Amino acid sequence: LAKTTQPISMDSYEGQEVNITCSHNNIATNDYITWYQQFPSQGPRFIIQGYKTKVTNEVASLFIPADRKSSTLSLPRVSLSDTAVYYCLPHSISSGSARQLTFGSGTQLTVLP
Amino acid sequence: DAGVTQSPTHLIKTRGQQVTLRCSPKSGHDTVSWYQQALGQGPQFIFQYYEEEERQRGNFPDRFSGHQFPNYSSELNVNALLLGDSALYLCASSLSVTPYNEQFFGPGTRLTVL
Repeated sequence: LAKTTQPISMDSYEGQEVNITCSHNNIATNDYITWYQQFPSQGPRFIIQGYKTKVTNEVASLFIPADRKSSTLSLPRVSLSDTAVYYCLPHSISSGSARQLTFGSGTQLTVLP
Repeated sequence: DAGVTQSPTHLIKTRGQQVTLRCSPKSGHDTVSWYQQALGQGPQFIFQYYEEEERQRGNFPDRFSGHQFPNYSSELNVNALLLGDSALYLCASSLSVTPYNEQFFGPGTRLTVL
């Protein structure tokens, strides 16, 4: 399983764009990158998933460069309610192991007023 | 459409006791996974159930066991509780036929072992 490295914590102010980068040097060819968000005392929530280049949905964008050794989650115009822990998870979707999610320690994002 | 539900919300046990946690998956989902999350850590995979069988298992001792019922709901059992078993236990459900791996998590059960 690929090992990931994320910043332990980040601070931002309301209305700013936040970029959280995750390093995953030994990602497998068929691995996708998924990001989850977790609020205190709640289960993680799926945010976005991608394989390469850029993916955008209603809440975030995900940038994955051509070498796929890192990925960046971009949150546009954050609000106080975006304060949470964000996890980056590489995983395969082509085998039975796809259902096992391997979480690291994540990045604690704190949005300040 | 109800999401993933778990019961109980909180539980306090003493060392050596046994505990059973319950999970109902999101409507239409057939696969249930269990995770343990210690304070300040990311969730750690315990095991996964599909078609009433354990399909995958993480690095957890045999004290941790589970079951899946025909209606896809699931139970997690922990025997001979240790202080270190205190954690948030999360259940996640997914649909086996989906090509990607979006899992839906419940709110968790907070287990405290004294």
